[in-house]
Amino acid sequence: QQQVKQSPQSLIVQKGGISIINCAYENTAFDYFPWYQQFPGKGPALLIAIRPDVSEKKEGRFTISFNKSAKQFSLHIMDSQPGDSATYFCAAGSGGGNKLTFGTGTQLKVEL
Amino acid sequence: NAGVTQTPKFQVLKTGQSMTLQCAQDMNHNSMYWYRQDPGMGLRLIYYSASEGTTDKGEVPNGYNVSRLNKREFSLRLESAAPSQTSVYFCASSEWYSTQYFGPGTRLTVL
Repeated sequence: QQQVKQSPQSLIVQKGGISIINCAYENTAFDYFPWYQQFPGKGPALLIAIRPDVSEKKEGRFTISFNKSAKQFSLHIMDSQPGDSATYFCAAGSGGGNKLTFGTGTQLKVEL
Repeated sequence: NAGVTQTPKFQVLKTGQSMTLQCAQDMNHNSMYWYRQDPGMGLRLIYYSASEGTTDKGEVPNGYNVSRLNKREFSLRLESAAPSQTSVYFCASSEWYSTQYFGPGTRLTVL
């Protein structure tokens, strides 16, 4: 059973545009929501993470928006660049975040 | 610091063969994990070790065994490989309430 649903599966954005990836979760015990970025042939790397006590977190061009009542969170990439082309995974965890449940991933391509 | 290292990088097995994937971390983390990544399915947790001396099953443990050899090392063993175990395997480590750091992965093909 997929406890974290991620959409879209793939996304093409023009350079300078906004990329938006959405995730929804079911387990209300989740209390840690990270986003990972993965380049081809590499392992995933943490991009940004949020806890449910805040509704938004921004780091540079990357922002997580979190809606606790809807059990949804999203990643916004502002001023998208070709170097942002990668696969992005949302995840959710509880109990110290030691066990993470991942979404199925979004393949982002930023075109010139 | 090397972070999380995995060996081998690539492996081809025949059905029924066995092998062990090795993972080591130099960040003094207590927790370590093994994931598999398949197209369209994200990363799925196979086994994890919250601390040295403990291991627990994740979402897809069937066909695998693990050993937490010491605080640094966490190995994953396939006793009798099956084509369904063709995947990319990632090891990760973390501290409590902290980021999971991933290794570069092992690409395994079972014929």
